[in-house]
Amino acid sequence: EVQLVQSGAEIRKPGESLKISCKGSGYTFTTYRIAWVRQKPGKGLEWMGLVRPGGSDTRYSPSFQGQVSLSIDDSITTAYLQWSSLKASDTAIYYCARHNTGLDFWGQGTLVTVSP
Amino acid sequence: EIVLTQSPGTLSLSPGERATLSCRASQSVPGNHLVWYQQKPGQVPRVLIYDASTRATGIPDRFSGSGSGTDFALIISRLEPEDFAVYYCQQHGTSLHTFGQGTKLEI
Repeated sequence: EVQLVQSGAEIRKPGESLKISCKGSGYTFTTYRIAWVRQKPGKGLEWMGLVRPGGSDTRYSPSFQGQVSLSIDDSITTAYLQWSSLKASDTAIYYCARHNTGLDFWGQGTLVTVSP
Repeated sequence: EIVLTQSPGTLSLSPGERATLSCRASQSVPGNHLVWYQQKPGQVPRVLIYDASTRATGIPDRFSGSGSGTDFALIISRLEPEDFAVYYCQQHGTSLHTFGQGTKLEI
C-alpha cells in the first residue's frame, strides 16, 4: 500500500526555522518525484515545488522561490520542506504528494502555525 | 508560468442535475497534462481525471473530462449528494506546475 506519512503539527514564532518531513513507503521511492502543496485556512491549493529523488532536479514556484527549501533523502525515503525564517503568513496546511499522472497519493498534511 | 482560471467560482445545483466546470489556461498546456481533483472538507484532494480526459482508477463514470490546448471542462453527468465539494484543475505540462483557484459545487 502506497503511503506518504508527514510529520506532526508545529507551532513556531515569526523568524524561527522549521523542517517538516514526508516519508514514503509501499512503492519504489526513487521512481516518482515528490511535490509540496500549501493550503491556507479556507483557501485553495498552491503548488510550491517538486523534488526528484536523488535531488538532481528541484523546481520551485516563483511564489516560493527563495522562501523555502526542498530536499530529499533517498536512503530513508523521506522528503523535506524547510524554512529558515518563518512569517505569520506561512500559517497553513502543507501537503506532500507523489507526482505521477497528477498527484496520485497525498500525505495527511502538516499544520504549521506561526504566531508571536 | 501557466495561469489556470476556473469558472464559476461557486456552482449551485441539485442532486440529479448536470454540472459543467471550466478551467482555462493562459497558454496551451503541453501534452494536455491537465488534472482534475476533488476535495471535501477535512480531506486531502483526490485525482478524478488526468491527461484532460482519462478517469482515474475507481472514479465513477458520471465524471468525465474534455478539452485540449487552453480550454478544459469537468462534467458530472448526474450529481450525487457526495459530489458536493471543491474541484481544482492543475497543469503539469510545463516545468512549473500550477493549480486553478477552485470551483465550489454546492447544493
